[in-house]
Amino acid sequence: QAVLTQPSSLSASPGASASLTCTLRSGINVGTYRIYWYQQKPGSPPQYLLRYKSDSDKQQGSGVPSRFSGSKDASANAGILLISGLQSEDEADYYCMIWHSSAYVFGTGTKVTVL
Amino acid sequence: QVQLQESGPGLVKPSQTLSLTCTVSGGSISSGGYYWSWIRQHPGKGLEWIGYIYYSGSTYYNPSLKSRVTISVDTSKNQFSLKLSSVTAADTAVYYCARGYNWNDEFDYWGQGTLVTVSS
Repeated sequence: QAVLTQPSSLSASPGASASLTCTLRSGINVGTYRIYWYQQKPGSPPQYLLRYKSDSDKQQGSGVPSRFSGSKDASANAGILLISGLQSEDEADYYCMIWHSSAYVFGTGTKVTVL
Repeated sequence: QVQLQESGPGLVKPSQTLSLTCTVSGGSISSGGYYWSWIRQHPGKGLEWIGYIYYSGSTYYNPSLKSRVTISVDTSKNQFSLKLSSVTAADTAVYYCARGYNWNDEFDYWGQGTLVTVSS
């Protein structure tokens, strides 16, 4: 079982909100981790979006619009990336990441399609 | 604006050593607080962190690759390098270099990536 599991794909309409989940493997408590989110468009490297641990420990990446935000669902043991007001340019792959057991670990990635 | 650029052979034969260099511009690799990483992405797949180096030469590697990885730094050239030994087709990937903020925080700058194919 992967350390970080993300839905493989998600589709939404322009202007809608999209909630991307990053589920931590059982036994790894989401509450103790900073979760980082990256956006990757075809042929380009990932771009840092934001990190979220709590409302008092969060950071928006430089130049990243506020319609990208992070949160957690403790009951689901998951980190969440919320994209509000979806735009066509948000169509991309999104990866979560944590520092776990002395290594960076990336999620499996979610491909977001804006219909 | 910090920029990173990977360079090296795009084709490596099986069992040989993959060697890549990342040249940093727009900032000094010797400025404290940043850790310089290598990350790879298998074709059509997710991301895998390989390891990082601090300007002092301290390194830390992903345990899954540790036995085959060496990362070094040349501060005079503002470069750091990756060597991955005993490569197989499974090492075919796009290799990125990236700057990490602190030893366990976000990667804020990335190179464009370079595709390395392992094939005879």
